[in-house]
Amino acid sequence: DTGVSQDPRHKITKRGQNVTFRCDPISEHNRLYWYRQTLGQGPEFLTYFQNEAQLEKSRLLSDRFSAERPKGSFSTLEIQRTEQGDSAMYLCASSLIGSDTEAFFGQGTRLTVV
Amino acid sequence: DAKTTQPPSMDCAEGRAANLPCNHSTISGNEYVYWYRQIHSQGPQYIIHGLKNNETNEMASLIITEDRKSSTLILPHATLRDTAVYYCIASNAGNNRKLIWGLGTSLAVNP
Repeated sequence: DTGVSQDPRHKITKRGQNVTFRCDPISEHNRLYWYRQTLGQGPEFLTYFQNEAQLEKSRLLSDRFSAERPKGSFSTLEIQRTEQGDSAMYLCASSLIGSDTEAFFGQGTRLTVV
Repeated sequence: DAKTTQPPSMDCAEGRAANLPCNHSTISGNEYVYWYRQIHSQGPQYIIHGLKNNETNEMASLIITEDRKSSTLILPHATLRDTAVYYCIASNAGNNRKLIWGLGTSLAVNP
């Protein structure tokens, strides 16, 4: 068990470009979450998967954002036509299904849109 | 989802206990109290969680008041590496278990 890993750790892109981030959760974890964090703020929930099903999306997740978890293992988060306001740390977390479980976070992908 | 309130910052001397308070007066009966911390530029790290009873693990102790309206995270012997932002979260007990984060407490452990 190597924990939750995210790739890349850092991404600099020009405004208008598309970017894709990957998250590999802890292997037996059924739940997978994406959060976004801007400087000085706590993380904000974006979306949640249970196995391969995307069960909830935040209103923060505009139509330029799409997330997938095709086989219930790794997940990708794509942002199309990036804007400067998309600059943030994108965090992935995973957990087991249950009422009394903790989520484990990756180190995040820091996106800078210039 | 219950909102939590924490002091924005605290200081603690190295080797002393750090006691971080959290108010969650609107917490519902099935919401757990979770504590995470985030060291600069890293992902959040799980510390401890509880429902009603006090909890202890290798990292910290969690004291929850009997009415569940507040809690205290205790780091028994703070070290410089404990300098971080500490988040207290009341996690919903629904199917998604998502975490709703506030601004946390920035703890500075001083030599």
